[in-house]
Amino acid sequence: AQSVTQLGSHVSVSEGALVLLRCNYSSSVPPYLFWYVQYPNQGLQLLLKYTSAATLVKGINGFEAEFKKSETSFHLTKPSAHMSDAAEYFCAVSHSGTYKYIFGTGTRLKVLA
Amino acid sequence: NAGVTQTPKFQVLKTGQSMTLQCAQDMNHNSMYWYRQDPGMGLRLIYYSASEGTTDKGEVPNGYNVSRLNKREFSLRLESAAPSQTSVYFCASSGQGYNEQFFGPGTRLTVL
Repeated sequence: AQSVTQLGSHVSVSEGALVLLRCNYSSSVPPYLFWYVQYPNQGLQLLLKYTSAATLVKGINGFEAEFKKSETSFHLTKPSAHMSDAAEYFCAVSHSGTYKYIFGTGTRLKVLA
Repeated sequence: NAGVTQTPKFQVLKTGQSMTLQCAQDMNHNSMYWYRQDPGMGLRLIYYSASEGTTDKGEVPNGYNVSRLNKREFSLRLESAAPSQTSVYFCASSGQGYNEQFFGPGTRLTVL
């Protein structure tokens, strides 16, 4: 069975500091992996996705994530946090042969001035 | 191109009342989904429709029914609302090839 674990329900960083949001997955078959962002009172929007091409994936707003099969991880990073990055971030997994997407419980990012 | 639209945006129900949440997408996607979002629990799949004419249960289907009216529309019905169904409900759609899901703005439902 597939599952997603996001370590840290809340993360605080200073403006300009590195952002690192952690995601580990469990899947018995090659996964498709996604990061979504949710701003207050809005739906989710895609930041980036991994679908078995390059292991380092670049997304919108300066975010990127690296697929590490040996560590079953897909951590999200951004070199320099901006106040506008404050939001909730969700990691999700799916795979070929299913229409289902499994979401993590989310990490709320706070950016301190 | 509106993407995924949901109505209503807000709703307050009394226990035992019924209602239908509407969802429509204009991206010609085959698959549509209903999720509920509760604090600390992420998104949980209620029902999904892989293609027009098919629907399947997700993780938390009890107390809900769905209808895939046509390729564009996928509705979620609460027949007898309970306080445990107080949540934010999101509709989503996706196309072929396990592309990403596109989400609507959500419906915030309170059951008293």
